[in-house]
Amino acid sequence: DVKVTQSSRYLVKRTGEKVFLECVQDMDHENMFWYRQDPGLGLRLIYFSYDVKMKEKGDIPEGYSVSREKKERFSLILESASTNQTSMYLCASSPGLFEQYFGPGTRLTVT
Amino acid sequence: QKEVEQNSGPLSVPEGAIASLNCTYSDRVSQSFFWYRQYSGKSPELIMSIYSNGDKEDGRFTAQLNKASQYVSLLIRDSQPSDSATYLCAGAGSGGGADGLTFGKGTHLIIQP
Repeated sequence: DVKVTQSSRYLVKRTGEKVFLECVQDMDHENMFWYRQDPGLGLRLIYFSYDVKMKEKGDIPEGYSVSREKKERFSLILESASTNQTSMYLCASSPGLFEQYFGPGTRLTVT
Repeated sequence: QKEVEQNSGPLSVPEGAIASLNCTYSDRVSQSFFWYRQYSGKSPELIMSIYSNGDKEDGRFTAQLNKASQYVSLLIRDSQPSDSATYLCAGAGSGGGADGLTFGKGTHLIIQP
């Protein structure tokens, strides 16, 4: 079975803090993704990566950056957290094309 | 036109009946389609994928794709209370999903015992 893990299920941070969300997959997948999910807005793509050290912007990259130093690990960074970044963050991985498999999610609250 | 559209529901179906979930899409996301199930507070779980016109069956689930009408559906036979969840329809564009999937906002399904 594909396993995607995320470093925290729940996280509370203060406005202005730098926040790191970690994601690890154990299936040697090429592609990894970060989404956020908000009520009424659905899932929206923040960033994705198709190879080590490669990254591409998704639909809503503003205020975020990413890092992929190893194939199995994809990190999302909030440079200076703001209250409008309070959300559920979901990491996913994919073997190349098509199906994506999600981690359990991190519910981030910024106060 | 929004790229992937779903009726938000809730859709209420009696236990044992067929639940029918529908999704329409734009040209940008016309290559491959996926249905995810998401329980409250949990992450999406892939339950079906469909790549070509017609029907695809897996147990109690059947996915249907009609590219001419830009329409994809999910049928759940013999609905169970455990099927109560939000169902997300997602589409991949010409990149095959390597550049991310586009999700609908989901349909909330309630199976009434």
